[in-house]
Amino acid sequence: AQRVTQPEKLLSVFKGAPVELKCNYSYSGSPELFWYVQYSRQRLQLLLRHISRESIKGFTADLNKGETSFHLKKPFAQEEDSAMYYCALGSGAGSYQLTFGKGTKLSVIP
Amino acid sequence: DVKVTQSSRYLVKRTGEKVFLECVQDMDHENMFWYRQDPGLGLRLIYFSYDVKMKEKGDIPEGYSVSREKKERFSLILESASTNQTSMYLCASTGNSYEQYFGPGTRLTVT
Repeated sequence: AQRVTQPEKLLSVFKGAPVELKCNYSYSGSPELFWYVQYSRQRLQLLLRHISRESIKGFTADLNKGETSFHLKKPFAQEEDSAMYYCALGSGAGSYQLTFGKGTKLSVIP
Repeated sequence: DVKVTQSSRYLVKRTGEKVFLECVQDMDHENMFWYRQDPGLGLRLIYFSYDVKMKEKGDIPEGYSVSREKKERFSLILESASTNQTSMYLCASTGNSYEQYFGPGTRLTVT
């Protein structure tokens, strides 16, 4: 069975400090991993996907198959980064079903 | 611009009532999903549909049913609402990628 674990419910950092949101997964196949974000009073939306290896809003995430991790990182946190972050794992099925972690609420302290 | 709409932002129902939550997307997406979002539990998949009249159970289908008569519309039905179904309900759709587009959510309170 596939599973996504986000060990931190809440993460508080000061503005300008580095941020790392942890995500570990369990999956027998070749994983496709994603980070979704929900800002206050906004819709949940895709932040980034591991395949594209891109940086979005200063965030990056590297897939580490050995450690089965996909941690989200940003070198310098901004107040506007405060949001709920969900790590998600693609099922590999044709319906593009996702398994989400329980989420981490990031709070950036001014 | 991609658009997923949900029929209500807030809904208050009584225990035992039949509740309909509607979701409409205008992107001609084949796949649609219903989740519930609860603090500390994240997003849990209730049902999904990969085509008109086709549906599959997700992780927590008990107490729910769905209907998809048209490609753009996916309805979630609570046959007999209970207080433990008080939650935020999110609808999403996607075509042929894992980028799911979410609606604004319906906050349902069952009293």
